[in-house]
Amino acid sequence: GEDVEQSLFLSVREGDSSVINCTYTDSSSTYLYWYKQEPGAGLQLLTYIFSNMDMKQDQRLTVLLNKKDKHLSLRIADTQTGDSAIYFCAERKTSYDKVIFGPGTSLSVIP
Amino acid sequence: NAGVTQTPKFQVLKTGQSMTLQCAQDMNHNSMYWYRQDPGMGLRLIYYSASEGTTDKGEVPNGYNVSRLNKREFSLRLESAAPSQTSVYFCASMGTPGTEAFFGQGTRLTVV
Repeated sequence: GEDVEQSLFLSVREGDSSVINCTYTDSSSTYLYWYKQEPGAGLQLLTYIFSNMDMKQDQRLTVLLNKKDKHLSLRIADTQTGDSAIYFCAERKTSYDKVIFGPGTSLSVIP
Repeated sequence: NAGVTQTPKFQVLKTGQSMTLQCAQDMNHNSMYWYRQDPGMGLRLIYYSASEGTTDKGEVPNGYNVSRLNKREFSLRLESAAPSQTSVYFCASMGTPGTEAFFGQGTRLTVV
C-alpha cells in the first residue's frame, strides 16, 4: 500500500519475542489493524487499536501506537512456530471509508 | 454463517478475455472492498463501496470495473484481461468502524 510501510521480513527464535513495525502517513486514520495471513489462506484479524489509545494488550499480543510519529508496532510474546505467517498492518481512513494495507511482514520462527 | 463468499477460486484467462469475479456477504455490512495481492506489495485496494449504490476508486483501479448490485453483492470485472492482472484477488466487507474486515478466501487469477 502506498501509505503504509513495513519491513518485509523478520526472523526470530522460538520462545523469543517478535516485534513487527509499521508506519502510516494519514493522521486522520482512526482505526489501525493487524492481520495475519497463513500460507494459501485469507486474512484473519489479530487485533486493532483506536487512535486515542497508546497501547492494547490481548494475551500474547501487545500493540503500541505512537500517534505523533505515526508508528504502530505488534509484539508477539513467546513466539511459536505456529506464528509463522505474513502480518499486515492496515489503516482505516474513516473520512473515505478506505482500508489501506501495508506490504506485509513475513515472520519466520526458527525452532 | 458463510461470511464472505468469492467465486471462482481459480481462473485462467487468455489476454483480452473478460470475466467477472463475484463476491457476496451475509453480515449486512455497508462497506465492501476488492484487493489484489502480489508478492512484496501486500494488498492493494482496487475499488471499494462504502454503501449500496456507491463505489470509489482505490489505489490501483485501472483495468477494472465494479458493481455494487445490492447490499450483499460487490462484483469486480476485468473487461480485457492483461498478464499484469495475474494476481490473487480478495473481497472483503466491514461493518461499523472498529470492527474487523472479513475476507473471502481469494481468487487466484492467471492471465496468459
